[in-house]
Amino acid sequence: AQTVTQSQPEMSVQEAETVTLSCTYDTSESNYYLFWYKQPPSRQMILVIRQEAYKQQNATENRFSVNFQKAAKSFSLKISDSQLGDTAMYFCASQDNDMRFGAGTRLTVKP
Amino acid sequence: EPEVTQTPSHQVTQMGQEVILRCVPISNHLYFYWYRQILGQKVEFLVSFYNNEISEKSEIFDDQFSVERPDGSNFTLKIRSTKLEDSAMYFCASSESGYGSYEQYFGPGTRLTVT
Repeated sequence: AQTVTQSQPEMSVQEAETVTLSCTYDTSESNYYLFWYKQPPSRQMILVIRQEAYKQQNATENRFSVNFQKAAKSFSLKISDSQLGDTAMYFCASQDNDMRFGAGTRLTVKP
Repeated sequence: EPEVTQTPSHQVTQMGQEVILRCVPISNHLYFYWYRQILGQKVEFLVSFYNNEISEKSEIFDDQFSVERPDGSNFTLKIRSTKLEDSAMYFCASSESGYGSYEQYFGPGTRLTVT
C-alpha cells in the first residue's frame, strides 16, 4: 500500500527566508509521481510542484524546489524568499494507481 | 482558464438522508476523481472514474457511495444514507489522463455537514 508521511505538523518562517518541508513516501510501484499541494484558508487545493520518479533532476518552479532522494524515498519542498501569501497547509502526495496524501504541514510566514 | 466547478458549496443534511454532490470537470478531461477531507485531517482518495466506470477506489468507498456521469458534463458522488462521520469537505478533480504526468485540477470543494 502507498503511504505518505509528513513529520512536521506545523512550521513557521520569517518573510524572505527559506524553509524546507519534509515528506517521505512508500510505494511498491516503479513508476510514480510526487506532488506538493498548497491549501490556503479558502481550502482550494493548488498544485505547487510535480516530480516524476524516473527523472533524477529535481523539479523547480520559481521560488519552489524539491529535493528528491529516490533511494531514501524522500521528497522535501524548499520555499525560498518566503512570502506572506505562502501561509497555508502544504500536502505532499504520491501517485501510482491512485493519489495518496500526507497529513499536511501548516506553514506560517511571519512578517 | 478552465476550472472544475462543484455544487453546492455547502450542503447540510440529516443523518440517514441521501445526498448528491455535483461536479463539472474540465471539458476535455477524461479522468475524474473524488476526494474527502475531514476537518483538520488529510485529503483522502475516494475513487477515480474513466470511460464511464470506476478505475480505482479506496477502502473508504464502500457500498453507500456511488459515482455517475449522467451526461456529458456532470460527475456526481452519491452518498445513500449519510452518517455523522461523512461530514467533510469533498473535492472533485479531473485530469486529461490517468498518469501522474497530467495535473489533477481540483474543484473548490463541497462542505458536507451531517446533523
